[in-house]
Amino acid sequence: DAGITQSPRHKVTETGTPVTLRCHQTENHRYMYWYRQDPGHGLRLIHYSYGVKDTDKGEVSDGYSVSRSKTEDFLLTLESATSSQTSVYFCAISGGGSANYGYTFGSGTRLTVV
Amino acid sequence: SQQGEEDPQALSIQEGENATMNCSYKTSINNLQWYRQNSGRGLVHLILIRSNEREKHSGRLRVTLDTSKKSSSLLITASRAADTASYFCATDGRDDKIIFGKGTRLHILP
Repeated sequence: DAGITQSPRHKVTETGTPVTLRCHQTENHRYMYWYRQDPGHGLRLIHYSYGVKDTDKGEVSDGYSVSRSKTEDFLLTLESATSSQTSVYFCAISGGGSANYGYTFGSGTRLTVV
Repeated sequence: SQQGEEDPQALSIQEGENATMNCSYKTSINNLQWYRQNSGRGLVHLILIRSNEREKHSGRLRVTLDTSKKSSSLLITASRAADTASYFCATDGRDDKIIFGKGTRLHILP
């Protein structure tokens, strides 16, 4: 997807290990979001950022932390991965508040915790 | 929290036919958005309709919004195989966040 990349695309990790997913954008957008997508649940917001060092929790933030030290990078960390965190993770960016702008999504990271 | 709910959950139609998906939501909104997700890919923004708009078009897509019924519909005309995907509606919430429904899986039959 133009202007936004996620890494890695796939990862298998063991329970209890820390994992960091990276979202990188070249659009200079202020807003960045992390979602997870699971069958039967749709997309659920984990954390979001409205500027450098400005982040807030979403509806499923337990077990996750984020950091945004630069406009272009938004990192999602699973401090101690659990099997319930096996999911597909999507990053999204937006040029403005949700009221007036659509989101651009990355291609996703498929994370498996064994 | 307010959330769009798509209906039906799954839809199969013949290529060339029109596909209609519906979205209902619970509380007042400023806008409603529709997204498409092809298998294994991220979501793609299709269209945004504001609360003061009743209908919007984009190519073969037609979106309607009825705020009195708290519902929206997405019509895809003259469907193609490439339209096979999941379609999500999303409504705006507080604090610059939008909330996604669980999606409609559309399958276009050859």
